[in-house]
Amino acid sequence: DIVMTQSPDSLAVSLGERATINCKSSQNVLYSSNNKNYLAWHQQKPGQPPKLLISWASTRESGVPDRFSGRGSGTDFTLTISSLQAEDVAVYYCQHYYNTPYAFGQGTKLEI
Amino acid sequence: DVQLVESGGGLVKPGGSLRLSCAASGITVSIAWMNWVRQAPGKGLEWVGHIKSKIDGGAADYAAPVKGRFTISRDDSANTLFLEMNSLKTEDTAVYYCATEDSSGCIDFWGQGVLVTVSS
Repeated sequence: DIVMTQSPDSLAVSLGERATINCKSSQNVLYSSNNKNYLAWHQQKPGQPPKLLISWASTRESGVPDRFSGRGSGTDFTLTISSLQAEDVAVYYCQHYYNTPYAFGQGTKLEI
Repeated sequence: DVQLVESGGGLVKPGGSLRLSCAASGITVSIAWMNWVRQAPGKGLEWVGHIKSKIDGGAADYAAPVKGRFTISRDDSANTLFLEMNSLKTEDTAVYYCATEDSSGCIDFWGQGVLVTVSS
């Protein structure tokens, strides 16, 4: 089974500053046949269900602000928020969908 | 717009059973791959399992901690997904989310969740 590990567990960033969250998979999640990384990022604000932000490691969902970006390939990925806004306070989870069982990272709590 | 509304949660004793429902609108559950994901109080997200669309065979797949105890099914006429939970343990206490999955396997939409508490 693929294990997902995020770092750091928590992060405090000033408004307007950059926030970077790392995610590492225990196995490659890049499918060679289509050259796509089966990696998503979800955002969970306090008291709310999660929401998909990014799929394929770097494709923002419709309506997601462009200050959110995803990068990486193979086993190492990052989620970057270029200029932190107050509404970005949340827990962020990476998740692989390369095969089952799907798995999530332990989450990174982002605070101001 | 897609809406997923979970129900059926509550307090149950260890060893007991519970059935959760997820009523869908804006999508047709028979042609969708549907997931259950849970979140223990104050903890992270844990994939429980999913069921393939009818056209893809309709089989379900489960995470190891629930295999043999939990069963995912659907009622196409009611456009509803179910999670039958048996032999419940205290560690099954969590908010259970119903979620859709796109054609590539990416979980792309989440319900609001329902709380299940397993306690004596």
